[in-house]
Amino acid sequence: EAQVTQNPRYLITVTGKKLTVTCSQNMNHEYMSWYRQDPGLGLRQIYYSMNVEVTDKGDVPEGYKVSRKEKRNFPLILESPSPNQTSLYFCASTQGQGWPDTQYFGPGTRLTVL
Amino acid sequence: KNQVEQSPQSLIILEGKNCTLQCNYTVSPFSNLRWYKQDTGRGPVSLTIMTFSENTKSNGRYTATLDADTKQSSLHITASQLSDSASYICVVSPLNDYKLSFGAGTTVTVRA
Repeated sequence: EAQVTQNPRYLITVTGKKLTVTCSQNMNHEYMSWYRQDPGLGLRQIYYSMNVEVTDKGDVPEGYKVSRKEKRNFPLILESPSPNQTSLYFCASTQGQGWPDTQYFGPGTRLTVL
Repeated sequence: KNQVEQSPQSLIILEGKNCTLQCNYTVSPFSNLRWYKQDTGRGPVSLTIMTFSENTKSNGRYTATLDADTKQSSLHITASQLSDSASYICVVSPLNDYKLSFGAGTTVTVRA
């Protein structure tokens, strides 16, 4: 089954404790991205990757890091989480690069930073 | 400033009725426009994708229209069902850029 998986689905952590949210897709897609979703603000892009070893900042990259060492994986790293990073995070993948291919979203990771 | 504005922010309709959601955008040049449905606590799911040359596209009871001249799109839901209760998000893809612009969404509540 074609899908995007994220782990963990829920996470409560404390300020400053490094964490990683994993994202994996089984569709051999080139393009992957991370979003955060906050009430009233909609989805905002954090980082995206056009292929292995190619990443770029989205609209809200501050406080986040990503890597794309393999095509299927695109982890999101919070080196020193802060309470303003409490949010719902989504990973997504698309075959094309900005072309009207269907974008598949993961189930989401709800992060709370205390 | 958000380049994609959706209206209304929320609406309530009775089961079986129709409704129309609006999306205005300023993204230019423009490649394609997408509508997503997002159930509470879940990831968005694609409903329709239209390129700048398309005027309408349907997916079951969902019909999206696009007017690239006025930079407006609408999503029409026909004969609404309880399962249509969700947030509907308009997303615009610029030409030659990988960043997507997302609207804040319209929350639709269908009541029996």
